[in-house]
Amino acid sequence: EPEVTQTPSHQVTQMGQEVILRCVPISNHLYFYWYRQILGQKVEFLVSFYNNEISEKSEIFDDQFSVERPDGSNFTLKIRSTKLEDSAMYFCATARGLLSYNEQFFGPGTRLTVL
Amino acid sequence: GQQVMQIPQYQHVQEGEDFTTYCNSSTTLSNIQWYKQRPGGHPVFLIQLVKSGEVKKQKRLTFQFGEAKKNSSLHITATQTTDVGTYFCAGARRDKIIFGKGTRLHILP
Repeated sequence: EPEVTQTPSHQVTQMGQEVILRCVPISNHLYFYWYRQILGQKVEFLVSFYNNEISEKSEIFDDQFSVERPDGSNFTLKIRSTKLEDSAMYFCATARGLLSYNEQFFGPGTRLTVL
Repeated sequence: GQQVMQIPQYQHVQEGEDFTTYCNSSTTLSNIQWYKQRPGGHPVFLIQLVKSGEVKKQKRLTFQFGEAKKNSSLHITATQTTDVGTYFCAGARRDKIIFGKGTRLHILP
């Protein structure tokens, strides 16, 4: 069964450093998402991406964050200057179509630890 | 902005007992989705409800969407140890989704 993959599984970084989290979507999916989950808390929507553009973003997704699909396969989330409060699990998810009408599939996540 | 509230936050049940989690939105939802997240795992889509008053069943799980499309529930009959995890409801609008805080289900053997 096709699945979303994410790398790395765990990233440790110093505050102020840049990190790039990577996701490989399911091959025929066109809609891509990033979510954040602080330990023990709810899943928070960050951004949706379709046709090489951001389609929706939340208040959390400020200028420190960016997304791109540089090579047509990997979908990346970049955090430019990490803060302690960025420590969380980051999930990528993909779907065939709009969330209103389609199931989304989550990857296993990247645990980001900012020291 | 839209908020999705979910209760209870935690629920402990004896194996074999029933379990229900409730979801309420501050605004009318176009749809409601339910997810399950096992401890240490990622959210897994369970179901989507779209129509007012809709009821769907998956084996021991029953999902309901309220008539006003502002509330929903998930009911598990005769819980098993495999049901352990956190159950999230979420409201999606086009390409954005808001999750509730989830209900963490513990099963006592």
